[in-house]
Amino acid sequence: QQPVQSPQAVILREGEDAVINCSSSKALYSVHWYRQKHGEAPVFLMILLKGGEQKGHEKISASFNEKKQQSSLYLTASQLSYSGTYFCGIMTVQGAQKLVFGQGTRLTINP
Amino acid sequence: EPEVTQTPSHQVTQMGQEVILRCVPISNHLYFYWYRQILGQKVEFLVSFYNNEISEKSEIFDDQFSVERPDGSNFTLKIRSTKLEDSAMYFCASSQGSWADTQYFGPGTRLTVL
Repeated sequence: QQPVQSPQAVILREGEDAVINCSSSKALYSVHWYRQKHGEAPVFLMILLKGGEQKGHEKISASFNEKKQQSSLYLTASQLSYSGTYFCGIMTVQGAQKLVFGQGTRLTINP
Repeated sequence: EPEVTQTPSHQVTQMGQEVILRCVPISNHLYFYWYRQILGQKVEFLVSFYNNEISEKSEIFDDQFSVERPDGSNFTLKIRSTKLEDSAMYFCASSQGSWADTQYFGPGTRLTVL
């Protein structure tokens, strides 16, 4: 039931773009994206509830393809502050009372 | 801005001892959760709680674990007899009006079992 994130790690130079994918084998009710910096709690980025929905937060946006049961997180013109591990958390139609997280994608931004 | 708080920030205990981790969710939130994260690994769901009842729990949440909302503000996780493998960061989270709402995480309690 755990979503699969890809890639596992990304290294970018400041200003470059990245895409992080999150796929589920089960029908999705919602997808939640979080960023976690080392030693800190996960910080909420955005939530997607409907198929095909795209949301934005500064230069970070995400899409949700309900048919393909996947979501993608887009980071454009990355900044040093974007470094961290990104987790997608899914709520499936069957298990809507819990958030199941993927294994995370470690993003490193170099100057 | 309201936030979830957790105490203590770090708890060290001997194997077999009981520990209670405390959380104060955001005041107008109705749904509460515990997650754990073993160092370097993903965040794992433990339990969700609503209306003074457990709504869902994972396989990790066995008979050694219990949760309680003893008053109108605190939400606690008790581990009755800690094992070495319980060493992890434990996060409390809360959401406002439904299961689909944003879950806001507390800063976590690092539990070390010796």
